[in-house]
Amino acid sequence: QKEVEQDPGPLSVPEGAIVSLNCTYSNSAFQYFMWYRQYSRKGPELLMYTYSSGNKEDGRFTAQVDKSSKYISLFIRDSQPSDSATYLCAIGGTASKLTFGTGTRLQVTL
Amino acid sequence: EPEVTQTPSHQVTQMGQEVILRCVPISNHLYFYWYRQILGQKVEFLVSFYNNEISEKSEIFDDQFSVERPDGSNFTLKIRSTKLEDSAMYFCAAKDRPNEQFFGPGTRLTVL
Repeated sequence: QKEVEQDPGPLSVPEGAIVSLNCTYSNSAFQYFMWYRQYSRKGPELLMYTYSSGNKEDGRFTAQVDKSSKYISLFIRDSQPSDSATYLCAIGGTASKLTFGTGTRLQVTL
Repeated sequence: EPEVTQTPSHQVTQMGQEVILRCVPISNHLYFYWYRQILGQKVEFLVSFYNNEISEKSEIFDDQFSVERPDGSNFTLKIRSTKLEDSAMYFCAAKDRPNEQFFGPGTRLTVL
């Protein structure tokens, strides 16, 4: 079983839609959870960071963590064409390295 | 937002040659990392560095790889004898605390 699983997409939505991106993980020792956005051939850009179960909101973005189900989500409200990118979940444990999902490619169309 | 910089943006080298990738982390950050991403694949951890020594490394980080912080600011990744399969994007990351790692723009390494 992979440590972190993420649907690679691609996911295509119309402008203004609510987007839901998800990851599952297998290791209950994972303690903190991040979402990065990556444009083609660029570095990952940190969007959200959380370490507890529940929701964390920042503007149009909401990160959700359910540790009992080992499931994390990122919601994007009122999606814009500029949100078109690959979204990476990344999870860390007691060691500080991050384990990444494969990334979900999102396309927001006009 | 804090910024990590990397040079060069693109490096082309012949198989068997040595390459050095450079990173300038955020000045007050204490933990440094190298990751790589082969085209079309996920980002993979290579090595973490704290207090001038390696704190953790992955199976990928074999004897061909080394890291150092020669002058207290730059953080370098050296690949001694490059192989075709070393072709990838290499990302430097840095963090202070708690756990938010900030990534640089990457160096695209092409081994011919």
